[in-house]
Amino acid sequence: DGGITQSPKYLFRKEGQNVTLSCEQNLNHDAMYWYRQDPGQGLRLIYYSQIVNDFQKGDIAEGYSVSREKKESFPLTVTSAQKNPTAFYLCASLLPVAGANVLTFGAGSRLTVL
Amino acid sequence: AQSVSQHNHHVILSEAASLELGCNYSYGGTVNLFWYVQYPGQHLQLLLKYFSGDPLVKGIKGFEAEFIKSKFSFNLRKPSVQWSDTAEYFCAVKLRGSSNTGKLIFGQGTTLQVKP
Repeated sequence: DGGITQSPKYLFRKEGQNVTLSCEQNLNHDAMYWYRQDPGQGLRLIYYSQIVNDFQKGDIAEGYSVSREKKESFPLTVTSAQKNPTAFYLCASLLPVAGANVLTFGAGSRLTVL
Repeated sequence: AQSVSQHNHHVILSEAASLELGCNYSYGGTVNLFWYVQYPGQHLQLLLKYFSGDPLVKGIKGFEAEFIKSKFSFNLRKPSVQWSDTAEYFCAVKLRGSSNTGKLIFGQGTTLQVKP
């Protein structure tokens, strides 16, 4: 069953701690994305990667870091520098074929900073 | 900066009522337009999309949307809602340019509550 798997589903963290959210896809998609979802603000792009070993900052990259060592994996680290990390994080992937730019989303990871 | 605006943040309807959710974007160039839906406890999924051609597009579950280029709008409609349409709805825009990055700009979202 092809799709995007995000883990953990729920995560609690103390202030000052880094935490890494996992995103794995078996769709053979080239591009992957991390969005942050906050009530009343929609989804905002954190980072994206179009190919392995390459990634670009999105609109709200400060306090986050990513890596793309494998095509199927795009983990997101929320660092202690992120001022307001409590949010719902969504990972997505895309096969960038002309006329077929549709993102596929994972189920999300909800991070709460205590 | 480009932005997407959804006019209604929270809509409450009774079953069988008609639905229209507004979406406007600020970008003068060519765009691809999307509506995504997030049912309670489920993945964000595509409801419908517009790339080119007929500006009236039909999606899943009886939803449709109309692209009006002169108004920079892509409003979502459904003639008769059901309780199962209770969800959060997001309008999104992809700017078409030389680089096909796939980045979407999302609106703030509209929470639809349908009363049985």
